Amino acid sequence: ETGVTQSPTHLIKTRGQQVTLRCSSQSGHNTVSWYQQALGQGPQFIFQYYREEENGRGNFPPRFSGLQFPNYSSELNVNALELDDSALYLCASSPGGQGTYEQYFGPGTRLTVT
Amino acid sequence: SQQGEEDPQALSIQEGENATMNCSYKTSINNLQWYRQNSGRGLVHLILIRSNEREKHSGRLRVTLDTSKKSSSLLITASRAADTASYFCATAINNNDMRFGAGTRLTVKP
Repeated sequence: ETGVTQSPTHLIKTRGQQVTLRCSSQSGHNTVSWYQQALGQGPQFIFQYYREEENGRGNFPPRFSGLQFPNYSSELNVNALELDDSALYLCASSPGGQGTYEQYFGPGTRLTVT
Repeated sequence: SQQGEEDPQALSIQEGENATMNCSYKTSINNLQWYRQNSGRGLVHLILIRSNEREKHSGRLRVTLDTSKKSSSLLITASRAADTASYFCATAINNNDMRFGAGTRLTVKP
């Protein structure tokens, strides 16, 4: 078990709604990355936050946004939910950039959009 | 978009046998990492191999990297039923861009 926690565990939303997912990073880690994992696929990089600033973004539209707080915890916000947003959302923390250090993943939030 | 591609997509072996999974990628990388995922849960880091390294070991795991062929392999020796999981390679293009493949689903039969 890593020290990374995510909430909620499961969530059901309706198309067009907005959702906020939360992640607490492992102690001492200043970088949080968010991923979307569709069923049967690998994780897709959404964005990375380093010391409260967005520091890299994958191919996701602006309705996917985030925040990182002074304690390095993070939120992922998705507006105008679409059916294709149904997925497992994973956050991962690391002591530096995701491309340099191993990442510690949380258990994920399963989002279902109906 | 996914940069790494694992091969095979699925692998089924008997306990005690070795399992080999391969990963190919397209662009130059800083490092390559292997992760394990049990049944839709969080990923667990296994090994990180840097672009100037050719081989790394960790317990029953052996990873090789061939940058000229843009490929890596993960070998699990003396497999156990508990090794049943999906295995992903992830390539780090720079400090803040890491791409995962679609994974290999390994089943180890007791």
